[in-house]
Amino acid sequence: DIQMTQSPSSLSASVGDRVTITCRASQGISDYLAWFQQKPGKAPKSLIYDASSLHSGVPSRFSGSRSGTDFILTISSLQPEDFATYYCQQYNSYPFTFGPGTKVDLK
Amino acid sequence: QVQLVQSGAEVKKPGSSVKVSCKASGGTFSNHVISWVRQAPGQGLEWMGRIIPSLGIPKYAQSFQDRVTITADTSTSTAYMELRSLTSEDTAVYYCAKGGQYCTSTSCYLIETEFWGQGTLVTVSS
Repeated sequence: DIQMTQSPSSLSASVGDRVTITCRASQGISDYLAWFQQKPGKAPKSLIYDASSLHSGVPSRFSGSRSGTDFILTISSLQPEDFATYYCQQYNSYPFTFGPGTKVDLK
Repeated sequence: QVQLVQSGAEVKKPGSSVKVSCKASGGTFSNHVISWVRQAPGQGLEWMGRIIPSLGIPKYAQSFQDRVTITADTSTSTAYMELRSLTSEDTAVYYCAKGGQYCTSTSCYLIETEFWGQGTLVTVSS
């Protein structure tokens, strides 16, 4: 199975901060990576697919990129509604594994 | 507007089975991916499997291979996930998710996951 790691596991930030979360796969996954946002007690919300494509309706402050084997989720200016846990998922090879999550909370 | 409505919370005894439904509305069902993901209390997301309803061939995570069955009824736009031989470790919220597609000037491509159901809490307790 492909192992997904995320860093950091948690971070504290302020409204307006630029936030980056990194996801790394244990083997190559091309660009078959998605990012999800989850708030407590809620279903996940899809943010990005194919590493860098934004789902319809997702604010443009969210972006995804790839640097070698690292995948990066960037929030350019953190908003109050962005405090949540973020997960990456690879869908290159079965099983489609998730990263352990990165919790973003208020500094 | 795509909606996925899942069946209600369940309480099951160890050793029993549970079947969760996921009814889709407002979009294409047959040719898009339906996935099932679970989340144990306080834990992360765990992929269980997926199916494309028009093809009817599911793919499962090995950790669930012998206990899970994912099906889809295209006539009712409803997907199902059945999990057997339940233990307390299967206590979790179970989500269905539906993919989508995007098209360029020449081709259309599947998006693996786009929309999510509200989740179904399954509690396994004696």
